[in-house]
Amino acid sequence: GAGVSQSPSNKVTEKGKDVELRCDPISGHTALYWYRQSLGQGLEFLIYFQGNSAPDKSGLPSDRFSAERTGGSVSTLTIQRTQQEDSAVYLCASSLLGSTEQYFGPGTRLTVT
Amino acid sequence: GQNIDQPTEMTATEGAIVQINCTYQTSGFNGLFWYQQHAGEAPTFLSYNVLDGLEEKGRFSSFLSRSKGYSYLLLKELQMKDSASYLCAVRDNNGNQFYFGTGTSLTVIP
Repeated sequence: GAGVSQSPSNKVTEKGKDVELRCDPISGHTALYWYRQSLGQGLEFLIYFQGNSAPDKSGLPSDRFSAERTGGSVSTLTIQRTQQEDSAVYLCASSLLGSTEQYFGPGTRLTVT
Repeated sequence: GQNIDQPTEMTATEGAIVQINCTYQTSGFNGLFWYQQHAGEAPTFLSYNVLDGLEEKGRFSSFLSRSKGYSYLLLKELQMKDSASYLCAVRDNNGNQFYFGTGTSLTVIP
C-alpha cells in the first residue's frame, strides 16, 4: 500500500517568507508526528497528533511554527517569517494507535536563503 | 533535559559483526527504538525494546538494560548495504515524544 507522502520534496524560500509543508499519512493511521533533522543532528520532535485529541505541541521551537491536521488525516506544518536556522529536513511519520512502529515519509528539505 | 548518546562514526568490514552502543538519560522511559537511515532517505524501523534483554531479528539484534540506561544494536554478517546511519530513540512515558540521538554513521568496507 501507499506509504507516508510529503510535499514538496524540496523548498527554497527567502528569509521572512511563510512556508507550508504537507504530510499525507498512511490511511488508517491515527498518530502523526512532525520532526526536524538539521545537518549532522538527530531528529528533533516538533508536534504529535493522535486522533481527535489535542495535539502535543511541546516540541515546537517558537510561535512561528504551527501545525494542523484536518479530518484526522492530512497535516500541514506552517513556518511563518522563516529564518536561516529553519533550514533542515522536515520529516513526518505516522503510526497505528498502540503500535511501536512509526513509518516515516521521505521528508521536505527546506532551505532558507 | 533528555540526553541520548551514540558514537558519531564507526567503520567495519564486510562479513564482520559490529555493535553500536547507545546510552540515555531521560526523565521517562517507555521503550527504546533503533532506526536505520540511508543517506537522503527516511528512517526505517529496525527494533524495539521495552524490557531488559536481547531481541533478535535476523542479522540484527538489540539489547536493553534499563538500570544502566544502555542499549546496543548488533549487526552480524555485515553487508555493504548496511552502510547507513543508525538512530537510537527513547519514547517518553506518555508515549507521545521520541527523543533521538544524533545517529551513528556506519561505513562497511570490503
